[in-house]
Amino acid sequence: AQKITQTQPGMFVQEKEAVTLDCTYDTSDPSYGLFWYKQPSSGEMIFLIYQGSYDQQNATEGRYSLNFQKARKSANLVISASQLGDSAMYFCAMREGWAGNTPLVFGKGTRLSVIA
Amino acid sequence: NAGVTQTPKFQVLKTGQSMTLQCAQDMNHEYMSWYRQDPGMGLRLIHYSVGAGITDQGEVPNGYNVSRSTTEDFPLRLLSAAPSQTSVYFCASGREAGGSYEQYFGPGTRLTVT
Repeated sequence: AQKITQTQPGMFVQEKEAVTLDCTYDTSDPSYGLFWYKQPSSGEMIFLIYQGSYDQQNATEGRYSLNFQKARKSANLVISASQLGDSAMYFCAMREGWAGNTPLVFGKGTRLSVIA
Repeated sequence: NAGVTQTPKFQVLKTGQSMTLQCAQDMNHEYMSWYRQDPGMGLRLIHYSVGAGITDQGEVPNGYNVSRSTTEDFPLRLLSAAPSQTSVYFCASGREAGGSYEQYFGPGTRLTVT
């Protein structure tokens, strides 16, 4: 079974508008971390934001925030005030457990296009 | 710090050839991983390591070998290249950091097998 599901292959957003990229996850481990990465057309992977399963508050990093709904097992990325430079692939990822021996697993990604 | 470096950036192989993709990190990270990225498939884990001398298989390990003799290096060996291994390969390193986890990626190697 897929551990990370991103149901939106592609999204469009108008410049300066907010956009939400969906991510649901599947785990029975009470301890896990959720990550979002951005991959622009140049190909590098850029870390955006992290949310731990025990964190009480939703993570925020500048224009990025993570809408964490634990009961629904969702970790949606919200980008506020979209810019043309936000056009990229976005990947959601999860790391299970605190044991330190589990790697990140990724979803299939969402391609975001920002329109002027 | 150079971060995570990968060589080569591009490679073309013929079916049946073998080669090693190099990955090195200078951040003294315990954790290192190899992923492949194919269109529409996201990043799929090939092999990973939680420290020198320790490796484990990921989701798609067949056709690949790894070893971790030092903290810094984590080479990925293709034993007998097949066209299905045409992909972009990313190496990553990571560490626990104050209750969270940080993972950094190399720039990738684009491999074509003909």
